[in-house]
Amino acid sequence: EVQLLESGGGLVQPGGSLRLSCAASGFNFNSYTMSWVRQAPGKGLEWVAIFGGSSGRTYYANSVKGRFAISRDNSKNTVDLQMNSLRAEDTAVYHCAKGGRDTDYWGQGTLVTVSS
Amino acid sequence: DVVMTQSPLSLPVTLGQPASISCRSSQSLVHSDGNTYLSWFQQRPGQSPRRLIYKVSNRDSGVPDRFSGSGSGTDFTLKISRVEAEDVGVYYCMQGTHWPYTFGPGAKLEIK
Repeated sequence: EVQLLESGGGLVQPGGSLRLSCAASGFNFNSYTMSWVRQAPGKGLEWVAIFGGSSGRTYYANSVKGRFAISRDNSKNTVDLQMNSLRAEDTAVYHCAKGGRDTDYWGQGTLVTVSS
Repeated sequence: DVVMTQSPLSLPVTLGQPASISCRSSQSLVHSDGNTYLSWFQQRPGQSPRRLIYKVSNRDSGVPDRFSGSGSGTDFTLKISRVEAEDVGVYYCMQGTHWPYTFGPGAKLEIK
């Protein structure tokens, strides 16, 4: 059974930093692209970043480029999202997702609130 | 970015009746590899999104066969043949052909 468990969310002031982590199990982690997708309260869904499984390439939404960094540790089956220079508009539930264009499983998410 | 639009955004449906949601993209979703990366997700209240359909018309394992997807190019449809109470939630289409991948605004299905 595929399981994705996010952690690291919380309240942070504007301009601050936060690091999210996702622990994955139940599939061959090394072989899959991993992603972060966010959902602002009461709003729709937005792709944040992806990290290719085989390619190792990373892609970012324009809204986070230069501020966020996605990384993965295939030995620990984890994918992280380092978020710097946080803004109020980054407030959202951040979901870890298995896959990229073909994403099929998502975690329950971790809430990030950017507020003073 | 590819803009995804959905209609209707609100869908009041009587139990046992069919429902249909349209999804349109601002450009063709046919990838250079020949696939069309259009997926449908269901988000029940308080839950994370669950994929129902991938590559336009392929139903995920465990998804009831009352759900079906169709379409091509820029026009796609999700159909529910007979709505059940557990189908209440928001339905999103998503394109995975062009980066950044984008979602539609969501169509909220409720029981009339």
